[in-house]
Amino acid sequence: DTAVSQTPKYLVTQMGNDKSIKCEQNLGHDTMYWYKQDSKKFLKIMFSYNNKELIINETVPNRFSPKSPDKAHLNLHINSLELGDSAVYFCASSKLGSHRGSYGYTFGSGTRLTVV
Amino acid sequence: QQPVQSPQAVILREGEDAVINCSSSKALYSVHWYRQKHGEAPVFLMILLKGGEQKGHDKISASFNEKKQQSSLYLTASQLSYSGTYFCGTNNAGNMLTFGGGTRLMVKP
Repeated sequence: DTAVSQTPKYLVTQMGNDKSIKCEQNLGHDTMYWYKQDSKKFLKIMFSYNNKELIINETVPNRFSPKSPDKAHLNLHINSLELGDSAVYFCASSKLGSHRGSYGYTFGSGTRLTVV
Repeated sequence: QQPVQSPQAVILREGEDAVINCSSSKALYSVHWYRQKHGEAPVFLMILLKGGEQKGHDKISASFNEKKQQSSLYLTASQLSYSGTYFCGTNNAGNMLTFGGGTRLMVKP
C-alpha cells in the first residue's frame, strides 16, 4: 500500500552503463517529479512531468531522461553513467492544482545509486 | 534560484524552542516545509500560500512574509522526534519546488 514506490532501493553499477529507476504512485496525483540528493543532502529538482507538460531543469545532463508510460508511473533512465551521478534519487508526486505549488509532495523512499 | 536557509544546524535540549528561516531572492507563490530523517524520504509538514499566512501542526508552525520573500518555521517545546533535517521548498513559477540547503536539527534529552 506504499503511496510512492521506487525500485530498486540500491543500485551499484559501473561507469558507462545504462540504468533505469522505476517509480509508481497510487495516490491519483497528476504530477510526478525526480529529485537528486547529493552527499551534502542538497535536493535538486531534475524533472517535473504531468500528462501535458514536461519541465526539465536546464542543468540536468541529457544523459538523464524521464519516461512515463502512464499517469501513475515516471521512470528515470540514465545513459553512460558517470562517477558524479552517484547520489540518492527521489521520486515524488503531487496534485497540480489551480495554484501552482499549492499541494504538498509525497516522496518515494529513494534509490541509492553508486557508480564505480 | 535556490532559497537560503539559516541556521545550517541547531542543537537543542528537549523542551527548547527553535526557529528556522528561509529566504528567496525571487517573488514566491508558495513555501513548503519538509522534514527528512536520516536514511528516509522527506516528509511534508505544511504549505503556505498567501503572504502573512501562518499555519500550525501540533507544536510546529510557520509564517510567510510575501513582501520580504521569507518564511520561518517555529518549533516549540521540541521533542526528540523533531530531530532531522528541515527543508524549505519554494515555488517561484512553473510547477517545481526548489529546495533550500536544509537545516540539521538535533534534539537531545
